[in-house]
Amino acid sequence: AQSVTQLDSQVPVFEEAPVELRCNYSSSVSVYLFWYVQYPNQGLQLLLKYLSGSTLVKSINGFEAEFNKSQTSFHLRKPSVHISDTAEYFCAVTNSGGYQKVTFGTGTKLQVIP
Amino acid sequence: DTGVTQSPTHLIKTRGQQVTLRCSPISGHKSVSWYQQVLGQGPQFIFQYYEKEERGRGNFPDRFSARQFPNYSSELNVNALLLGDSALYLCASSPEGDRNNSPLHFGNGTRLTVT
Repeated sequence: AQSVTQLDSQVPVFEEAPVELRCNYSSSVSVYLFWYVQYPNQGLQLLLKYLSGSTLVKSINGFEAEFNKSQTSFHLRKPSVHISDTAEYFCAVTNSGGYQKVTFGTGTKLQVIP
Repeated sequence: DTGVTQSPTHLIKTRGQQVTLRCSPISGHKSVSWYQQVLGQGPQFIFQYYEKEERGRGNFPDRFSARQFPNYSSELNVNALLLGDSALYLCASSPEGDRNNSPLHFGNGTRLTVT
């Protein structure tokens, strides 16, 4: 069985300040890791993914996440947030084998304060 | 390129009734998955269908069923609705259902309210 823990349900941060959204996962097998973003009244959109290779992955809009196998973490960071980053962020994990079942965390609401 | 489309967008049903939700995947995508997102929580896996066959099922009662059609569209059926079934139901498609490194592409969901 696999699980995802997002300890912070809400993170308020001032515009242009850095932010880190924490994610820890648990799995007995190799995993793929994802961050999805959900804007109000919309579905989820893929932000970035870790499949293999370099442990630091980046999105096109300035977010990055680092896979840390020893700490079973996949924290999301951005050095300078914008108002438009206000949304809910979900960390997700799926096993490298078997059927495509993605397990999501409970989400972190990022509120960017002007 | 049209994304994943779901219908209806909103639905209000009474306890005990039955509901059918519909999903059209991105053109060329052969895998469709269904997720339930209760307010304040992350999405929970219900089903995955690939090439018209069920590949996986989450921890949901038999009141939940689904199918995939030859054009890869899908329906989710829920019988004997309970108040706890009120949620946002998300459909997601991916190009291939046998490669777990394919990201999911989500529709905007169907908001089901059971009264």
